[in-house]
Amino acid sequence: AQSVAQPEDQVNVAEGNPLTVKCTYSVSGNPYLFWYVQYPNRGLQFLLKYITGDNLVKGSYGFEAEFNKSQTSFHLKKPSALVSDSALYFCAVSPNSGGYQKVTFGTGTKLQVIP
Amino acid sequence: DSGVTQTPKHLITATGQRVTLRCSPRSGDLSVYWYQQSLDQGLQFLIQYYNGEERAKGNILERFSAQQFPDLHSELNLSSLELGDSALYFCASSVIAGGTQYFGPGTRLTVL
Repeated sequence: AQSVAQPEDQVNVAEGNPLTVKCTYSVSGNPYLFWYVQYPNRGLQFLLKYITGDNLVKGSYGFEAEFNKSQTSFHLKKPSALVSDSALYFCAVSPNSGGYQKVTFGTGTKLQVIP
Repeated sequence: DSGVTQTPKHLITATGQRVTLRCSPRSGDLSVYWYQQSLDQGLQFLIQYYNGEERAKGNILERFSAQQFPDLHSELNLSSLELGDSALYFCASSVIAGGTQYFGPGTRLTVL
């Protein structure tokens, strides 16, 4: 069975500092990997995805994520955090094997950027 | 705006009642997903449809049912409601099953 782990319930970072939100996954075969962001009282918004190719994926709002196959990780990063980045972040995985595939979401990590 | 619409935005009802939540996917998206989000349970996957057919089931209670219609809109039916069913219910859609999902704004259900 596939799974996603987001080991930190909350990450605090000072404005202007780099941020990392961690995600590890387990899936049969090659993965599709996603990051979504949720602002208060809103639905989730797609940030970025990895399907194949370059291990460093760039997404919306200056975020990027690095796919590491040997460590089965897909950590979300940003070089300089903004207060407006404060939100709930979800990592998700589905198997890259065609057909009708289920997507599994992590439990979410609350990012707090301190002014 | 993701292009996914959900109605109603808010719903307040009593225990034991039945409600229907509606979702219209983005134009061209064939797959629809339903999720429940509560404070203590996080984001829970309920069910997925692809072009009218059920494709995956998650932690969906027997009191809950869903369907996707020929025009691709979907409805989630919740019956015999309990206090614990109070939550945000999200619908998402994607072009292909397992692809990037686009989420609606959600329906906030309050069961009194």
